[in-house]
Amino acid sequence: DAGVIQSPRHEVTEMGQEVTLRCKPISGHNSLFWYRQTMMRGLELLIYFNNNVPIDDSGMPEDRFSAKMPNASFSTLKIQPSEPRDSAVYFCASRIKAGSGTEAFFGQGTRLTVV
Amino acid sequence: LAKTTQPISMDSYEGQEVNITCSHNNIATNDYITWYQQFPSQGPRFIIQGYKTKVTNEVASLFIPADRKSSTLSLPRVSLSDTAVYYCLVGGSNYQLIWGAGTKLIIKP
Repeated sequence: DAGVIQSPRHEVTEMGQEVTLRCKPISGHNSLFWYRQTMMRGLELLIYFNNNVPIDDSGMPEDRFSAKMPNASFSTLKIQPSEPRDSAVYFCASRIKAGSGTEAFFGQGTRLTVV
Repeated sequence: LAKTTQPISMDSYEGQEVNITCSHNNIATNDYITWYQQFPSQGPRFIIQGYKTKVTNEVASLFIPADRKSSTLSLPRVSLSDTAVYYCLVGGSNYQLIWGAGTKLIIKP
């Protein structure tokens, strides 16, 4: 398996534009996580899906952020409209199951810069 | 949710054994202890996981005392490529893992 695949790797956009980040989890994994990493706040969990269903989105900063998982092999994180403070590295991770004893596999991340 | 405390940074030299200790005083009965490694511009990578006593794999060992309120990641004979940030996490049957600031390990020649 190629691991968790994220696209794009880098995204530069202007404030106010819509940004869509994409993630393909590892086949057979039924848990998917979106994280955001910044120097100031470290790694923050944005949203967690289990079997394609959003379980906890309490980490989503505000209504400008939305995430979907239409099927087991694809998820998107959308920011509309984007703001400079959204600049960060966004990671997608997947696990076989959500419980303890299983490791999470992370993608390479998408570095988002909003100017 | 159990929080963890670990040193912000550590230095060591090539060939040495490095031990990074993590405190997790509020660990719950069903919580596992997991360590991840992160290189710049990459996502975190799983290193090792344990519940109690000692766990060893091809890259590291994890020592967990009987009270489980702390754990120590041991990296044998480090090399320059082990320079990275190391995260200690505690999680149970739910999905939540609290990521702290991690320990920035710098290996010198």
